[in-house]
Amino acid sequence: DVKVTQSSRYLVKRTGEKVFLECVQDMDHENMFWYRQDPGLGLRLIYFSYDVKMKEKGDIPEGYSVSREKKERFSLILESASTNQTSMYLCASSLQIEAFFGQGTRLTVV
Amino acid sequence: SQQGEEDPQALSIQEGENATMNCSYKTSINNLQWYRQNSGRGLVHLILIRSNEREKHSGRLRVTLDTSKKSSSLLITASRAADTASYFCATDPNTGNQFYFGTGTSLTVIP
Repeated sequence: DVKVTQSSRYLVKRTGEKVFLECVQDMDHENMFWYRQDPGLGLRLIYFSYDVKMKEKGDIPEGYSVSREKKERFSLILESASTNQTSMYLCASSLQIEAFFGQGTRLTVV
Repeated sequence: SQQGEEDPQALSIQEGENATMNCSYKTSINNLQWYRQNSGRGLVHLILIRSNEREKHSGRLRVTLDTSKKSSSLLITASRAADTASYFCATDPNTGNQFYFGTGTSLTVIP
């Protein structure tokens, strides 16, 4: 069965902390994505990656960076967390067309 | 932004009725997909329609695509309480590998 696993369901961090959100997929997919989801705004693409060590900016990359050192793992990094980054973060992977999602990480920055 | 939009934002119907939600998008696409999200969870793929198709069925789901109007609709027939969820359309523009999701329709089916 297809699996995308995000390291935490809930996370509380302080303003200014460096935050790592981890995502692992076991399907050997080339493409991986990070979205944030906010009420009324839907899913917005932060970054995506189509290969190891490759990354592309999405619509809202400011304040975020990513790392893809291995095919199965795609990390989202908040360099200095701010309260406006409080959100639900969703990771997804795909081979070509259909995207498979993790369960989401609800991050609160206080 | 290449994000699409769903309409309506929220929909409330009685069990057994049909639910229709619409999606508009901005760029030329290869495919359009519909996903479902139960409260607080990740998204699950429902159905895909390719840009050269006009209509597709899967069980109680019917999807239409009008590329000239850059719009799609999702019809759920004979709705059930378990259909209560948010529904999102997603497009993959023919310029890359990424997906862009709409803002979602929140469907409530009242038993």
